[in-house]
Order: sequence, then C-alpha cells, then structure tokens
Amino acid sequence: DIQMTQSPSSLSASVGDTVTITCRASQGIDNYLAWFQQRPGKAPKCLIYGASSLDSAVPPKFSGIRSGTDFTLTITGLQPEDFATYYCQQYTNYPFTFGGGTKVEIK
Amino acid sequence: EVEMLESGGGLVQPGGSLRLSCAASGFPFRIYAMTWVRQAPGKGLEWVSTISGGGDSTYYADSVRGRFTISRDDSKNSLYLLMSSLRAEDTAVYYCARYSPSDYIYWGVGTLVTVSS
Repeated sequence: DIQMTQSPSSLSASVGDTVTITCRASQGIDNYLAWFQQRPGKAPKCLIYGASSLDSAVPPKFSGIRSGTDFTLTITGLQPEDFATYYCQQYTNYPFTFGGGTKVEIK
Repeated sequence: EVEMLESGGGLVQPGGSLRLSCAASGFPFRIYAMTWVRQAPGKGLEWVSTISGGGDSTYYADSVRGRFTISRDDSKNSLYLLMSSLRAEDTAVYYCARYSPSDYIYWGVGTLVTVSS
C-alpha cells in the first residue's frame, strides 16, 4: 500500500496568514493526488485534484504543487471559514490512501 | 449539477447487516467508477471500496473484504454497499464519491452507521 505522510498534524495561524501543508507519498503516484477540506460536522470537500487543478467553484486562494513524490497545499489570506481540517489522498492505486490530516486552528 | 445522496444508515447490532444506497444525478453515472469512503467518529478518512464503471471490477479495503459487497444499478443511477457481519469498528459516516483520473472529485453528504448493542 502507498503511505501518505502529511505534515504538520496541526497548526495555528491568524486571519490573513499564508499556510502550507505537505504530503509525501511512499512511492510515485504521478499527479493522482487530491486535497480535501473538512469543516466541523460537514462532509469533506475536494479543493484540488490532479495535484494542482482547482474546480471553478474553489477560490484561487488554494493552490497545489507537486515535486516528485512531495505535494504541497498552500492557502493564502486565511479567512475564518478556512479554519478546518485538510486531508491529502492518493488515487492512483488501490487501496486509495489518505494522509492523517492537518487541523488549521485560529491563533 | 452533480449530486450524490446517501441513505440507509442507522443503528445495527454487532453481527448484523445493513445496505447503504447512494442516488447520483447530474452526470453520466454508468461511465464512472464509484467509491465508498468512511470516517469513524473523531478519526480520519478511510477508503472502503470502489466499483468500476459498468461494474466489472470491484476493490475492497482489507478491513472490509469478505464482509462488504459493493454494487451498482446503472438503470437507477444508484450505488450500493451491502455490509454484513458488522463490528463496532465499522461505526462511521459513510460517503459515496465519484473519482475520475482527470476530473473533479465529488462526495455526497454521508450517512451514519452505528454498530452497537
């Protein structure tokens, strides 16, 4: 199975900050990497698919980039609604596997 | 607009069975692989099972293989998960999802399954 190592597990930031979350795959997954946002009590929502593609409904404050087997999610200009838990997931091989999650909290 | 709505969750005793359904709309259901993902209370996300477009191939997590069966009815745009021999550790919110190699990933809102006596 492909292991997804996500870091940090939590972070504190202020409104307006820029934060970065990383995910490392234990083997090559090409660009089959997605980032999800989950607000408390809600279903996860896909922010980025294909490592760097955004749906038209997702604001461009979210961006993703791949470097080999390392993937990064960057959120610029944090707003109150962005304080949530973020997960990465590979979907190239079964079983699809998730990172452990990053909880973004208000400082 | 793509929509997926899960149903069928509830309280079931250990060893019991339950069938979840997912009604999909807004896209050509038959050509897409469909997936179930779950989340135990306070825990992370776990992929459960995937069925290919057309239903020829199925894939399962080790934790559910032999107990859960995924299926689909393309005439009804519906996805199913038959869960048997349920255990306390199967307690979770179950989401259906549409994955595609080159397209946005859609998830439903989930249905809660509680396994308890």
